[in-house]
Amino acid sequence: AQRVTQPEKLLSVFKGAPVELKCNYSYSGSPELFWYVQYSRQRLQLLLRHISRESIKGFTADLNKGETSFHLKKPFAQEEDSAMYYCALSASNTGKLIFGQGTTLQVKP
Amino acid sequence: GAGVSQTPSNKVTEKGKYVELRCDPISGHTALYWYRQSLGQGPEFLIYFQGTGAADDSGLPNDRFFAVRPEGSVSTLKIQRTERGDSAVYLCASSLGYGTAYNEQFFGPGTRLTVL
Repeated sequence: AQRVTQPEKLLSVFKGAPVELKCNYSYSGSPELFWYVQYSRQRLQLLLRHISRESIKGFTADLNKGETSFHLKKPFAQEEDSAMYYCALSASNTGKLIFGQGTTLQVKP
Repeated sequence: GAGVSQTPSNKVTEKGKYVELRCDPISGHTALYWYRQSLGQGPEFLIYFQGTGAADDSGLPNDRFFAVRPEGSVSTLKIQRTERGDSAVYLCASSLGYGTAYNEQFFGPGTRLTVL
């Protein structure tokens, strides 16, 4: 079964602290993985995708096929990073996204 | 340019009524997706259109749900005999196409449906 698991509903850190948002997946194939972010009162938007191997707003995520994980990391959190983060997996033949339940990141001053 | 738009932004209806939710994708995007997001959950896939045809409707929960995209642009999600459990935010997304280079999905603001 195709599934994405984000074990933490809420992650609260202080500004300047490192952040790691966990994501594990289950997929019988070669996955394409994404992180989407939703800031307060804004629409869901793409943060990064594993194939581009970019760093966006200081965030990075590495696909670990052995551990079936795609954790999102940032070395120094900023208050403007406070948002809801969703990990998602793309089913290759249609592109439909399978989302995790989401993690709320709260960065305290 | 304009992003994905959805109307109405909010819809309140009574149990048993029929509702239509509209999605206007980004111009030129051939792929269109509908998702449903219940409170505290991530978006859940409903249906995918490539052009005018529904390429994958495996996420529609039952036959009360139906979606069309007659001219390959605007799409309408139709829900018959609404139930309280249908209350959720309905999200629409569009992408240039499918395949790795074209499949970034751009989301609309959603329609919040409340069934009383």
